[in-house]
Amino acid sequence: KAGVTQTPRYLIKTRGQQVTLSCSPISGHRSVSWYQQTPGQGLQFLFEYFSETQRNKGNFPGRFSGRQFSNSRSEMNVSTLELGDSALYLCASSLAFADTEAFFGQGTRLTVV
Amino acid sequence: SQKIEQNSEALNIQEGKTATLTCNYTNYSPAYLQWYRQDPGRGPVFLLLIRENEKEKRKERLKVTFDTTLKQSLFHITASQPADSATYLCALPASGGSYIPTFGRGTSLIVHP
Repeated sequence: KAGVTQTPRYLIKTRGQQVTLSCSPISGHRSVSWYQQTPGQGLQFLFEYFSETQRNKGNFPGRFSGRQFSNSRSEMNVSTLELGDSALYLCASSLAFADTEAFFGQGTRLTVV
Repeated sequence: SQKIEQNSEALNIQEGKTATLTCNYTNYSPAYLQWYRQDPGRGPVFLLLIRENEKEKRKERLKVTFDTTLKQSLFHITASQPADSATYLCALPASGGSYIPTFGRGTSLIVHP
């Protein structure tokens, strides 16, 4: 079956702009989580959506937001981009039960200049 | 708050040897622990899950141990190969009953031919 698909793979934006990233989970997976990965901080949890509702949220400013559609596809938005937002943004889908693995997409590499 | 520690220094070993990576955690008693592999520029890939009542788990050349007294997991790769070179991340479910994986920063393994 198809894996988790993230688009675009690479993105270059200017400070102050906003950006929207997309994630299509594995068919049948209703949970989508987003992570930010930087060399200094590692993988940090942003938020999780389940059945179109944000169920968990990490410690990120309100500039980071997301949503999930009825087909489980999810989008993440970052407004007023800062240089420090440059990172690999990863989406993971899962069956949303304990003990289950997370399936990650290849990520979107965002560079803010 | 919970803390996950992995050796930030890269582990360099010779092909054919056993690689052993360590994951320590504090302020937490997770019900399970996961190990993921991440290659540069790609999302993590799930390898193994071990539950708190399991001391050891094996999958092909991989072996994971889980010592809840020491609050430590060891990840072994036997008969290592250059293709095993990657960053290995341990992940625990976030505290408070959430199943959202919280990741360590990972240890880079380099297997020399």
